[in-house]
Amino acid sequence: EAGVAQSPRYKIIEKRQSVAFWCNPISGHATLYWYQQILGQGPKLLIQFQNNGVVDDSQLPKDRFSAERLKGVDSTLKIQPAKLEDSAVYLCASSLDGRSNEKLFFGSGTQLSVL
Amino acid sequence: AQKVTQAQTEISVVEKEDVTLDCVYETRDTTYYLFWYKQPPSGELVFLIRRNSFDEQNEISGRYSWNFQKSTSSFNFTITASQVVDSAVYFCALKGDKLIFGTGTRLQVFP
Repeated sequence: EAGVAQSPRYKIIEKRQSVAFWCNPISGHATLYWYQQILGQGPKLLIQFQNNGVVDDSQLPKDRFSAERLKGVDSTLKIQPAKLEDSAVYLCASSLDGRSNEKLFFGSGTQLSVL
Repeated sequence: AQKVTQAQTEISVVEKEDVTLDCVYETRDTTYYLFWYKQPPSGELVFLIRRNSFDEQNEISGRYSWNFQKSTSSFNFTITASQVVDSAVYFCALKGDKLIFGTGTRLQVFP
């Protein structure tokens, strides 16, 4: 079974530039998550999709971050414009149907460095 | 409010030693779930175990064991006879209405 795919693996940009990350969840998984993991911290949820609808985006900085999941499969996360404090690993995860006790399957992440 | 505390930032052991990773949580929910995930150097978090708040039975899986105590709000993880491949960052997580991760414990196992 293929896992959660993310690209790119690494990205270096200058502040005020824009960047986009892509995620392909496990086939058949209805729920998709984007997490931000700052160095030395645990992952923090940015946004959760159920199919192509947003379930929770309460911690997404909406003035600069946006995400979409067209057709309820792949997802993209965009930052525009980037700030220095956005340097982090962006993890995508998926689960079967978003139930409370479900385990999440994570991708390897995109490591973003903002200079 | 929910909170997960992993007080141990980094632990170093020599192979074959036993090691316990601590996790203390806070929640007002009566129904919740606790998880442990492993993050190897490759970056992806890997699910290890899940416990619901009504099941305080301890669990053993090979060299791994988990001790859940509601009275102390703890969900500790023990690796018996550690191996170099156990080197990773381990996260404890709590799911009430949201999934909250602790800050992680970096385990280094030296040969």
